[in-house]
Formats: sequence, C-alpha cells, structure tokens
Amino acid sequence: AQKITQTQPGMFVQEKEAVTLDCTYDTSDPSYGLFWYKQPSSGEMIFLIYQGSYDQQNATEGRYSLNFQKARKSANLVISASQLGDSAMYFCAMSIQGGSEKLVFGKGMKLTVNP
Amino acid sequence: NAGVMQNPRHLVRRRGQEARLRCSPMKGHSHVYWYRQLPEEGLKFMVYLQKENIIDESGMPKERFSAEFPKEGPSILRIQQVVRGDSAAYFCASSLLPGRVGPYNEQFFGPGTRLTVL
Repeated sequence: AQKITQTQPGMFVQEKEAVTLDCTYDTSDPSYGLFWYKQPSSGEMIFLIYQGSYDQQNATEGRYSLNFQKARKSANLVISASQLGDSAMYFCAMSIQGGSEKLVFGKGMKLTVNP
Repeated sequence: NAGVMQNPRHLVRRRGQEARLRCSPMKGHSHVYWYRQLPEEGLKFMVYLQKENIIDESGMPKERFSAEFPKEGPSILRIQQVVRGDSAAYFCASSLLPGRVGPYNEQFFGPGTRLTVL
C-alpha cells in the first residue's frame, strides 16, 4: 500500500524567505508520481508541481521546486521568496502508474507567511 | 476554458435525507475522481469513473454511497440516509490521460461541495 507522511503540522516563515515543506512516501511500485497541492482558506485545491519517479532532474515551477531524494523516499517542496499569499495548507500526494492513478494524500501542513 | 465544476458549493441536509453532489469535468476529460476531506485531514480517494463505467471504487463506503458518470451529463455522487459523520468537503477531479504517470496525468480539482449534516 502507498503512504504519504507529512509530519510538520505547521510552519511559520518570514516574507521573502525560503521554506521547505517535508514529505516522505512509501511504495514498492517502481513507477509513480509525486504531487504537491496548495489549499488556501477558500478551500480549492491548486496543483503546484509534479515529479516522476524516473525523472533525473528535480522539478521546478517558478518559485516552487521539488527536492526529490529517491533513495530516502522524500519529496520536499521548496518555496523560494515566500509571499503572504503562500499562506495555506499544503498537501503532498502520490499516484501509481498502472493502477487507477488515484491520488494518495498526506495529512497536510499549514504554512503561515508573516510580513 | 472552464475548469471542473461542482455544485452545489454548500449543501445542508438533515440526518436521513439524501445528498446529491454533481461534478462536470473539464472539457475533453472523461476520467473523474471523487475524494472526501474530513476536517483537519487530507483528501481520501473514494471512486474513479470513466463514462458509464466505475473503474475503482475501493475507497467508497459499502453502504449508502454510490457514484455514476453517465454518457451525457455530470458525474453524480449520491449519499443516501446521511449521518453526521458524512459532513465533509467532497472534491471532484478530472484528468485527461490517466494510465501513465506524468504531468498529463495531473488531476484538476473542482472547488468542492461542503456537506453539512444537521
């Protein structure tokens, strides 16, 4: 079975600083994808970044990058130059190729950006 | 270029009533997923449907819950005889090309339906 673990319940960061959100995963499947979603207080789920298990390079999308360490089974999200609008819940998720591609989510963590 | 549509956004039901949640996927998407989010929790997979077919319902409670995605019209998640424990946010997501892991497998989420059972 697949499992996503996010152990940080909440984090605080000063505006313009970088922050790393931790995510570890567990699967025996060799082919999988890792996703990060942002959920602001309004409730919608916003896709941020994707990393494939066979990707050689870490994924980057603007201010978001994914620190993918396959041997350690970690997929930490790095947000550079935090903005007040980054305050939200952040969820790490995984899907497995060959199955129904359903997403397995972690419990999430709350990021607060202070001015 | 509308995204995933869900309605209603908020639904209030009394115990024992039925709840019907609707989801219209993004244009061109024929794969729909339903997830449930309890307060202070992550999303939990419920069911995966293609047009007229249930592909994976491993996350659906055995009783009172059903889902469909007809040839025409939105996908429907139906909860019969609701109980207080059904109060949650229900999200629908659609994707273009499941079956291989990649950015094209990205699931686009709707705004969710927040169900409150009194």
